[in-house]
Amino acid sequence: DVKVTQSSRYLVKRTGEKVFLECVQDMDHENMFWYRQDPGLGLRLIYFSYDVKMKEKGDIPEGYSVSREKKERFSLILESASTNQTSMYLCASSQDGRQAFFGQGTRLTVV
Amino acid sequence: DAKTTQPNSMESNEEEPVHLPCNHSTISGTDYIHWYRQLPSQGPEYVIHGLTSNVNNRMASLAIAEDRKSSTLILHRATLRDAAVYYCILIPTLNAGGTSYGKLTFGQGTILTVHP
Repeated sequence: DVKVTQSSRYLVKRTGEKVFLECVQDMDHENMFWYRQDPGLGLRLIYFSYDVKMKEKGDIPEGYSVSREKKERFSLILESASTNQTSMYLCASSQDGRQAFFGQGTRLTVV
Repeated sequence: DAKTTQPNSMESNEEEPVHLPCNHSTISGTDYIHWYRQLPSQGPEYVIHGLTSNVNNRMASLAIAEDRKSSTLILHRATLRDAAVYYCILIPTLNAGGTSYGKLTFGQGTILTVHP
């Protein structure tokens, strides 16, 4: 069974903390994605990676960075968490133009 | 990036067919047409995709216009579990002017309500 796994379902962090959200896929996919979802704003792409060490900014990259040192793992980093980064974060992976698979999401609260 | 236009919302009755339209007049010849849906409190799930020909799978059918400028997702018999937000997305398959291969960007989607 194909799988995209996000390290935490729920996370609470303090303002100013450095936060790592991890995503691992077991399908040998080249493409991986990080989104955030907020009520009324839909799914917004933060960053996209199309190969190891390769990344491209999405629609809302400000305040975030990413790391892809291995093909199966794509990390989203909040350098200094702020309350406006409280959100649901979703990771996905895909290969070529085919079906994308999503993780279960991480609900991050920054207090 | 090529854009898609969908109605904000649609309603259907249970056990009736549902036709969800999507316009993508700026589609390029190598863009795949994908449909995903998101049920309440869940992550998006893949429904179906196609390039030029109509496609069928166990969940739905995808009808693609001959000029590829529009497509329709068809749910043959709607159930209450089909109530979700449906997204029509174009996925580029060639690098062109900064557009990355396989990039998956969501629009606002269509909220489908199914009445018992």
